[in-house]
Amino acid sequence: QVQLQESGPGLVKPSETLSLTCTVSGYSINTYYWSWIRQSPGKGLECIGYISHSGNTNYNPSLKSRVTISSDTSKNQFSLKLTSVTAADTAVYYCARLSAAAFDPWGQGTLVTVST
Amino acid sequence: QSTLTQPPSASGSLGQSVTISCTGTSSDVGGYNYVSWYQQHPGKAPKVMIYEVNKRPSGVPDRFSGSRSGSTASLTVSGLQSEDEADYYCSSYADNNHVVFGGGTTLTVL
Repeated sequence: QVQLQESGPGLVKPSETLSLTCTVSGYSINTYYWSWIRQSPGKGLECIGYISHSGNTNYNPSLKSRVTISSDTSKNQFSLKLTSVTAADTAVYYCARLSAAAFDPWGQGTLVTVST
Repeated sequence: QSTLTQPPSASGSLGQSVTISCTGTSSDVGGYNYVSWYQQHPGKAPKVMIYEVNKRPSGVPDRFSGSRSGSTASLTVSGLQSEDEADYYCSSYADNNHVVFGGGTTLTVL
């Protein structure tokens, strides 16, 4: 079955760039859409953005100036870069497949803390 | 983009039914047939329970059902069980190809 796994640093310094990778197994990222969602501690879910199988992207307007989502089909991975991070970017970051505007399945999530 | 509006909490007794609302606008919930509902237990990733307003993925009990009236979608959980106690989030496709979430509802089973 489809499985997604996030990876990347768990600690990022303020003003630096957060970089995460999602490795997909059991399914090719050459179909569907692939997304990043985050959840700040004790808060709700926020869609950061997504990338299509053809490489088109769509970003949350509140994050658009700082976000880049890209994919590497040869590795069946897609990635997130978020620049100029602050403490407000501390969150659990999830990757998920997006189909019919529904996120399924999800990765287990990875906590990224922004701190010195 | 605005988030969808959900009540912060809901509760029901074992075996009873509870309905959680998700209010948006004509730019999201009311404009597209793409409303989803997610269940999240503490420390776990969310799991889709309903997609496209009222469709259930395989493996989701038929105690869970979705509906929509105008710009308000609803999730009904019938025959409440203890394992249904969790946070529930709605999401919707929205204008400009965005996807927006509700603020979440904590369901307590009494």
